[in-house]
Amino acid sequence: QVQLVESGGGVVQPGRSLRLSCVASGFTFSDYGMYWVRQAPGKGLEWVAVIWYDGSNKHYADSVKGRFTISRDNSKNTLYLQMNSLRAEDTAVYYCARGQFSVAGTLLDWGQGTLVTVSS
Amino acid sequence: EIVLTQSPGTLSLSPGERAALSCRASQSVSSNYLAWYQQKPGQAPRLLIYGASSRATGIPDRFSGSGSGTDFTLTISRLEPEDFAVYYCQQSGSSPFTFGPGTKVDIK
Repeated sequence: QVQLVESGGGVVQPGRSLRLSCVASGFTFSDYGMYWVRQAPGKGLEWVAVIWYDGSNKHYADSVKGRFTISRDNSKNTLYLQMNSLRAEDTAVYYCARGQFSVAGTLLDWGQGTLVTVSS
Repeated sequence: EIVLTQSPGTLSLSPGERAALSCRASQSVSSNYLAWYQQKPGQAPRLLIYGASSRATGIPDRFSGSGSGTDFTLTISRLEPEDFAVYYCQQSGSSPFTFGPGTKVDIK
């Protein structure tokens, strides 16, 4: 079955960087668009970024544009989120999710999430 | 940016009752790209409905989706105890791929 396992979360100071990873299994990773979605404590879901199946196209929420970079390594079945210049408002659980199509679409499957806390 | 508005914010109902959750978009959304997710406390979201009206794998038939254009509805025909949760709509047709703020269905 489909599994998505996020890692890399933790406590980081404002202005510092962190890289999240999401290892996928149970499907042909290189066939699907992949997402990052976050959820601040007690808040709703916020779409963060999406990457096409081959990495050729990426889109970002305005709140992270210029600071976060989504990437993927199809040879390792792994999705990444490089987060730079972190702010307190980036504190959230970060989920990776598989898209319905090669370019995006509905979020079919979700990982369990990894918590990022930005605090001094 | 397509803004999704969900109503009501909270729905207090009893098991066995019918729930109707609304999702309205600030501009037209292709039905192919409107989805509903369920989230329980401490858990990741789970896909319920995609393409506005198609149930995801393993989703009971008491869940149904309908609508088109800017007005969409998630209906739970008879609430089971495990259905009390938060429900989000989301559009994936146009970047940014926005979520609605959610509707909490709680026990009356």
